[in-house]
Amino acid sequence: AQKVTQAQTEISVVEKEDVTLDCVYETRDTTYYLFWYKQPPSGELVFLIRRNSFDEQNEISGRYSWNFQKSTSSFNFTITASQVVDSAVYFCALIAAERYNNNDMRFGAGTRLTVKP
Amino acid sequence: DTGVSQDPRHKITKRGQNVTFRCDPISEHNRLYWYRQTLGQGPEFLTYFQNEAQLEKSRLLSDRFSAERPKGSFSTLEIQRTEQGDSAMYLCASSFNPMGLAYNEQFFGPGTRLTVL
Repeated sequence: AQKVTQAQTEISVVEKEDVTLDCVYETRDTTYYLFWYKQPPSGELVFLIRRNSFDEQNEISGRYSWNFQKSTSSFNFTITASQVVDSAVYFCALIAAERYNNNDMRFGAGTRLTVKP
Repeated sequence: DTGVSQDPRHKITKRGQNVTFRCDPISEHNRLYWYRQTLGQGPEFLTYFQNEAQLEKSRLLSDRFSAERPKGSFSTLEIQRTEQGDSAMYLCASSFNPMGLAYNEQFFGPGTRLTVL
C-alpha cells in the first residue's frame, strides 16, 4: 500500500520567515519516487522536484531545499526567506515501482501556505 | 503556449447529462494522465495512456467514465449520466518517458472544473 501524509493542513507565516512543509510516506517497495508540486491560486500544478529512493542527498534550489530521510520515511520541503508569491497549496506525491508500468501517483492532501507581507 | 491545455475550463451540467473534456498534452510527450481533485484534497489518479494505449485505470474510474487518446496526441474524458458526486476538478498531465525510464515529472494542465447540479 502507498500513502502520503501531509499533517499540516494550513501554515501561515510572515514574509522572510523560513517555513518547513512536512511529508511522510508509506510504501513497501524499495524503489520509489517522491515529488513535490506547487498549486498556486490559478490551479495549475507546478512540478518542483523528483527524488528516487536510492538518492538520499539533500537538494537546494535557490530558496527551496528538500530533506529526504529514508529512516523516518520523510521528504520535507523548506522555503527560506518566504515571499508572498510562495503562497500556494503544496503537494507531496509518491510513485512506487512495484510494477514497471505503475503510474499511480499518490498525492498527499496538501499543505496550504499563506505568506503575509 | 506550449504547456498542457484543457478545454473547457469550467463546465456546469445537470445530473444525468453526459459531459466530455479535452486535453492537449505537450507535443513530444508520450504519456498522458487524468486525475480528479476534490476540494481540500490532492489529485487522485484515474487513468493513463502511453501513446494511444490506455495502460492503467484506477478503481475510481467507474463504468460511466471513459477516456480515449485515439492518435496518441489529445485525449478526451467522457462522463456519462453525471452524478453530483462527480463534481470536481479534472486534471490532465503529460510526461516524456523514453525507453527505460519508467517515471518522469508530469506537467499538469489548468484543469476542468465540473459542477453537477
